[in-house]
Amino acid sequence: EVQLVESGGDLVQPGGSLRLSCGASGFTFSTYAMSWVRQAPGKGLEWVSGVSGGGGTTYYADSVKGRFAVSRDNSKNTLYLQMSSLRAEDTAVYYCAKERSDYPANRDFDYWGQGTLVTVSS
Amino acid sequence: DIVMTQSPDSLSVSLGERATINCKSSQSLLYSSNNKNYLAWYQQKPGQPPKLLIYWASTRESGVPDRFSGSGSGTDFTLTISSLQAEDVAVYYCQQHYGIPPRTFGQGTKVEIK
Repeated sequence: EVQLVESGGDLVQPGGSLRLSCGASGFTFSTYAMSWVRQAPGKGLEWVSGVSGGGGTTYYADSVKGRFAVSRDNSKNTLYLQMSSLRAEDTAVYYCAKERSDYPANRDFDYWGQGTLVTVSS
Repeated sequence: DIVMTQSPDSLSVSLGERATINCKSSQSLLYSSNNKNYLAWYQQKPGQPPKLLIYWASTRESGVPDRFSGSGSGTDFTLTISSLQAEDVAVYYCQQHYGIPPRTFGQGTKVEIK
C-alpha cells in the first residue's frame, strides 16, 4: 500500500526558514517524480515544486523560485522541501504527491499525503 | 504557463441528478504523438487530501465509481457525475500535466446537494 507522510509543518515568523519532509513507502520511490502542492486556508490547490526520480531535475512555481528548494534522499525514501524567506502568503497545508511515472513522462498525481500545515506569522 | 479555468465555481444538484463541471485550458493539452489529453480530475472532501478520479481526460482511476466520467479534448473538458450521491459533496479540480512543469490546477468547483 502506497503511503506518503508529511512532517515538519510549524508556526514560523516572516523571513524565517523551515524544512518539510515526506516519507514514502509501498512503492519504488526512486523511479517516480514527486511534487509538493500547497493549499492556503479556504483556497484552491497550487503546485509548488517537482523533482525527478533521481533528483537531478527540479522545477518550481514562480511564486517560490529562489526561496524554496526541493530535494530527495532515495536511500531514505524521503522527499524534502527547504523553505526560506517565508512570507505570510506561504501559509498553507503542504501536500506531497507522487506522479504516476518519472519525468519526462509528465503524468497525473496518483497518490497524495495527508498534508502538513505551515503558518507564517509574527 | 497554462491557465486552467473551471465553470461554474459552485453548483447545487439534487440527489440522483446529473452534475456537470467544465474545465478550459489556455492551450491544447492533446499530445499528438500519443493522442492523449494530459488532463486529470481530482475530488477533495473537507479535511482530506485530493483524490485522483480521472486521468488522460477520460480514464477512470481504479476504484472510482462509474457514475464519474470525463470527456473532452484539446482545450475543453467536462467531468460528469451521472447520478449525484451524498458522498459526492466535495470540491472538484481539473489539472493539466502537459509538458514540463509547472502543473496548474483549475480554481475548483464546489458541488453541494440541493
